[in-house]
Amino acid sequence: AQSVTQLDSHVSVSEGTPVLLRCNYSSSYSPSLFWYVQHPNKGLQLLLKYTSAATLVKGINGFEAEFKKSETSFHLTKPSAHMSDAAEYFCVVSENTGGFKTIFGAGTRLFVKA
Amino acid sequence: EAGVAQSPRYKIIEKRQSVAFWCNPISGHATLYWYQQILGQGPKLLIQFQNNGVVDDSQLPKDRFSAERLKGVDSTLKIQPAKLEDSAVYLCASNRGRDNSPLHFGNGTRLTVT
Repeated sequence: AQSVTQLDSHVSVSEGTPVLLRCNYSSSYSPSLFWYVQHPNKGLQLLLKYTSAATLVKGINGFEAEFKKSETSFHLTKPSAHMSDAAEYFCVVSENTGGFKTIFGAGTRLFVKA
Repeated sequence: EAGVAQSPRYKIIEKRQSVAFWCNPISGHATLYWYQQILGQGPKLLIQFQNNGVVDDSQLPKDRFSAERLKGVDSTLKIQPAKLEDSAVYLCASNRGRDNSPLHFGNGTRLTVT
């Protein structure tokens, strides 16, 4: 069975400093992994997607994530935080079990201080 | 392309009343999902349709929740009777379904049960 764990419920950084949002997953198959962002009162938006090509995936707004199979991790990073990055971030695992099943993590709220 | 449309945007009802939500996915998207997002939590899958067939409804409280996608296009999610703990945002999403393509989300319906 698949599952996804986001290790931090809240992360606070200062503007201009690096961002690290941690995600571990488990899957019986070769999963696809995603990060979505949800700004207050807005819909969920795809940041990036890993499907088994390059292990380092680049997304929108300067975010990237690295797939590490040995560690079953898919951490999200950004070199320099911007105030507009403040939002809720969800790590998502999806696997094909005869139909694609998609599971969301509990989310990490990112706070960015001026 | 037009996005996923959901209505209503907000709904307030009393417990034991019934409520229905509507979703129109992106044109051509075979797979449609309903998620429940309780405040402070990640989205939880309620039901997944592939065309007009149910792929996964293992987490749908079937004694009070029902959903249909009669013609394989738009979908309705109903709650009858509602409980206080049903207060949440109900998200509809869709994707092509043929591969593990990213989900496209609507803006959701915020339900408050008093």
